[in-house]
Amino acid sequence: SAVISQKPSRDICQRGTSLTIQCQVDSQVTMMFWYRQQPGQSLTLIATANQGSEATYESGFVIDKFPISRPNLTFSTLTVSNMSPEDSSIYLCSVFVETQYFGPGTRLLVL
Amino acid sequence: QKEVEQDPGPLSVPEGAIVSLNCTYSNSAFQYFMWYRQYSRKGPELLMYTYSSGNKEDGRFTAQVDKSSKYISLFIRDSQPSDSATYLCAMSAGGGYQKVTFGTGTKLQVIP
Repeated sequence: SAVISQKPSRDICQRGTSLTIQCQVDSQVTMMFWYRQQPGQSLTLIATANQGSEATYESGFVIDKFPISRPNLTFSTLTVSNMSPEDSSIYLCSVFVETQYFGPGTRLLVL
Repeated sequence: QKEVEQDPGPLSVPEGAIVSLNCTYSNSAFQYFMWYRQYSRKGPELLMYTYSSGNKEDGRFTAQVDKSSKYISLFIRDSQPSDSATYLCAMSAGGGYQKVTFGTGTKLQVIP
């Protein structure tokens, strides 16, 4: 199993600013995943983060907008840059340990 | 057309009712089918996991997969207020790290 924590749990930000979301796992994992969950829409994979290499981004997501760090096997950060109201969403960190586990999410509101 | 279609609900049932949650999909390559439960202000947690067609039962929960119809279902027997949550179907072509495609989720409320 895996226990995932995320910080912050929620935030309200002004447009044009950036927010960095932290994800901590209680065990070492090869891959960490970042998802976005918007109201009425399905969970959407943003990127996959491997330790020691560049993150792999899904179609529609770019590194300049969502830079990711993966400094070790238990930690990752996702930054939402130059935010607009369209970035208001829940951002979820996830890992795969036999099955897929999700963090509690970071609820972001951009004004 | 979305790869995975799921009725968003909300679905409201009395305690003790049998609940049926469904998803349809279009990608015939999908082989692994999952149901996640997501409580308010929490992340999704895996509830049921099925490979290929057939039924799988776990306590009050039964997952069904009909690959010929591209249709999956989750049945909840003797529903409880604690079952009130959003249920997400998910599927992938392979196991392990293979990319998973999620439905939009069905919000279920079980009324005492």
